Amino acid sequence: SQTIHQWPATLVQPVGSPLSLECTVEGTSNPNLYWYRQAAGRGLQLLFYSVGIGQISSEVPQNLSASRPQDRQFILSSKKLLLSDSGFYLCALDNQETQYFGPGTRLLVL
Amino acid sequence: GQNIDQPTEMTATEGAIVQINCTYQTSGFNGLFWYQQHAGEAPTFLSYNVLDGLEEKGRFSSFLSRSKGYSYLLLKELQMKDSASYLCAVEFSGGYNKLIFGAGTRLAVHP
Repeated sequence: SQTIHQWPATLVQPVGSPLSLECTVEGTSNPNLYWYRQAAGRGLQLLFYSVGIGQISSEVPQNLSASRPQDRQFILSSKKLLLSDSGFYLCALDNQETQYFGPGTRLLVL
Repeated sequence: GQNIDQPTEMTATEGAIVQINCTYQTSGFNGLFWYQQHAGEAPTFLSYNVLDGLEEKGRFSSFLSRSKGYSYLLLKELQMKDSASYLCAVEFSGGYNKLIFGAGTRLAVHP
């Protein structure tokens, strides 16, 4: 079965600091991978998706970036965090039937 | 444009039935998902509708009308553990499974 790991689980960072969130998946090969953000009390917003190694598509303009250095690894980064980057970051994969979500990383920018 | 609407909050009594509605205006519609999300946790998949009609899965059922841009999630025999947010998400056709999520409906089940 497919498993999604996200690291870290929680993170508190100062404004202007860099960010790196990691997502790794098991039990599947060549998955479509997604990064979502959920701000407090709001719906999920798609940030990036990737259909393969090195292939990244951005859904919204922002100070975040994503990379996929390996088939089962998806990384979300920022060079300088903003207060508005606080939220719950979810990595997801799809198996052609539905999207499954990882446990998420809760980020608080102060 | 793309717009998905669902009520912000609902309350219901343990053992009762509740219906959570979702309306959408989109282009390139492929299907509609419902997810359940408990506070502080990731969403978990509940149902997927592609064709018009009702899909039943235990205590949960989901309905879709493509012509009306309308779906609902029906929860029967409510239990306290059903207190959660329920997310409606529209899938778009294309090279990948792009989902657009509604803001979610927060359901509180009371004894």
